[in-house]
Amino acid sequence: AQKITQTQPGMFVQEKEAVTLDCTYDTSDPSYGLFWYKQPSSGEMIFLIYQGSYDQQNATEGRYSLNFQKARKSANLVISASQLGDSAMYFCAMRGISMLGGTSYGKLTFGQGTILTVHP
Amino acid sequence: NAGVTQTPKFRVLKTGQSMTLLCAQDMNHEYMYWYRQDPGMGLRLIHYSVGEGTTAKGEVPDGYNVSRLKKQNFLLGLESAAPSQTSVYFCASRPRDRGSYNEQFFGPGTRLTVL
Repeated sequence: AQKITQTQPGMFVQEKEAVTLDCTYDTSDPSYGLFWYKQPSSGEMIFLIYQGSYDQQNATEGRYSLNFQKARKSANLVISASQLGDSAMYFCAMRGISMLGGTSYGKLTFGQGTILTVHP
Repeated sequence: NAGVTQTPKFRVLKTGQSMTLLCAQDMNHEYMYWYRQDPGMGLRLIHYSVGEGTTAKGEVPDGYNVSRLKKQNFLLGLESAAPSQTSVYFCASRPRDRGSYNEQFFGPGTRLTVL
């Protein structure tokens, strides 16, 4: 079984500052992927960044970076230079390897989410 | 491309009524998923499909049925709605594995209230 834990129900950050959103995971799968999604108040799910368990380098996408520490089973999201538009719910999710009829399907397991509020 | 679309966007049901939520994608994705999102919780997988005519149970399948008669459509049915099924429902799709990375593309969600 896979489990994702996000221990910060809410986080506050000043505009233009950096913020780290925590994510720890538990899995017995030999290979897995870690995702971060953003959910603004409008409700849609927006993909931000992906980290594969065998990737040698931490993933980066613009102002988003993923601080991946495999031994600690953590995959924290770092947002640099926060903007007011970053205020949203953020979900960490994991995709392991599962089989159905011989085909892998990559079910996502989500954490509870962290609400980020950016203050001007 | 419209991506992943969901119909309807909002719905209010009475206990015991039935309804079907429609998910459609125009990206030719093989895999499709139905999730529910409840307050204070992340998304939980209800059912999923890895291809036309194939479906399987996810984490919280009770009270729901699904069908994938066409590759582009994935239907979620509630035969007898209960207040515990009040939630926001998300559909997602993604292509079959062609490497280690494949994000899921989400629809806009359907907000369902069962009275």
